[in-house]
Amino acid sequence: DAGVIQSPRHEVTEMGQEVTLRCKPISGHDYLFWYRQTMMRGLELLIYFNNNVPIDDSGMPEDRFSAKMPNASFSTLKIQPSEPRDSAVYFCASSPRDSQETQYFGPGTRLLVL
Amino acid sequence: AQSVAQPEDQVNVAEGNPLTVKCTYSVSGNPYLFWYVQYPNRGLQFLLKYITGDNLVKGSYGFEAEFNKSQTSFHLKKPSALVSDSALYFCAVRDNIRTGNNRKLIWGLGTSLAVNP
Repeated sequence: DAGVIQSPRHEVTEMGQEVTLRCKPISGHDYLFWYRQTMMRGLELLIYFNNNVPIDDSGMPEDRFSAKMPNASFSTLKIQPSEPRDSAVYFCASSPRDSQETQYFGPGTRLLVL
Repeated sequence: AQSVAQPEDQVNVAEGNPLTVKCTYSVSGNPYLFWYVQYPNRGLQFLLKYITGDNLVKGSYGFEAEFNKSQTSFHLKKPSALVSDSALYFCAVRDNIRTGNNRKLIWGLGTSLAVNP
């Protein structure tokens, strides 16, 4: 298996622009998670899905952030408009139903908002 | 409130020496505990977990962790450290407040392990 795939791996954009991050989970995994990692706040869970349905979005910072999972093999995290404080590494992870919470992480997208 | 604490930001150890990375937790109900490792510019990788059973859990790359219920700790250990073990280590516990199909983990802030040759 190729593991969790994220694109792009690096993104540099200017403040105010829309940013879309993409994730392909491991085939057969029922759960998908979006995390943000910064030096200041560590690893933060933004949102997670079960069978394409959002379960907990309490970690989404504000209305500028949105996430979708239109099917079992694809999810997006969108930031519109982006701000410099959104600069971070964004991870996607997936988990199978019977894994007892073990999560498999993608390589991350490093976002820099200028 | 449920929480995970990794009291050390950084741990330094000489190659060949034993290493310990500390983790304590506070959670309602039975804890599900995890250790993950993050190498530079990579995503997190699962190392090991404690769900139930033997308090000593063995995982990948020769790591093990000991669950201590009375001390609410889950310290990560390795008998002989390698330079290649240098990485960021995260402890996590399942959020037990939410029920149903909850899969949320509560994460520590991470401990940077440096193994010196």
